[in-house]
Amino acid sequence: DAGVIQSPRHEVTEMGQEVTLRCKPISGHNSLFWYRQTMMRGLELLIYFNNNVPIDDSGMPEDRFSAKMPNASFSTLKIQPSEPRDSAVYFCASWQGLSGNTIYFGEGSWLTVV
Amino acid sequence: GDSVTQMEGPVTLSEEAFLTINCTYTATGYPSLFWYVQYPGEGLQLLLKATKADDKGSNKGFEATYRKETTSFHLEKGSVQVSDSAVYFCALFDGGGNKLTFGTGTQLKVEL
Repeated sequence: DAGVIQSPRHEVTEMGQEVTLRCKPISGHNSLFWYRQTMMRGLELLIYFNNNVPIDDSGMPEDRFSAKMPNASFSTLKIQPSEPRDSAVYFCASWQGLSGNTIYFGEGSWLTVV
Repeated sequence: GDSVTQMEGPVTLSEEAFLTINCTYTATGYPSLFWYVQYPGEGLQLLLKATKADDKGSNKGFEATYRKETTSFHLEKGSVQVSDSAVYFCALFDGGGNKLTFGTGTQLKVEL
């Protein structure tokens, strides 16, 4: 299996621009997670989906952030408009949904907003 | 709520030294416990896991035992190598809440 695939790997954008991060989970995994990693706050769970339905979005920092999962094989995390404080590494992870199973992470999308 | 506490880093060791990174947790249920490793510029990789009390997870010479009585999952390795230099994250997964909670990470530097 190819694992969790994220794109883009690196993005530099100007403040105010829209940013869209993409994720393809591992086939057969029915839960998907978006995490953000910064030096100041470490790893934070932003949102997770179960069977394509958002279950907990309490970690989404503000309305500028939105996430969708239109089908079992694709999810997006969008920031509009972007701000310099959004600069971080954004990780997508997927899970098969069985107790004891591993959550697998993608390589991350390294976002810099200037 | 669930939480994970790790020892602060950075931890600097000489090659072949013994490694311990402490991890304790708080959880309401019976979580699974994980150690993830992040090498510079890369994502998180699963290092080892344990799903119930007294289980020992092991991989690449690293070990950790799920201790329910002390709510701990300390990571150990008998002889570290320079290539082990990375950030190590302890995490718990509460299946009921479907949430993976991470510690703050411990940076390990191994020198020749």
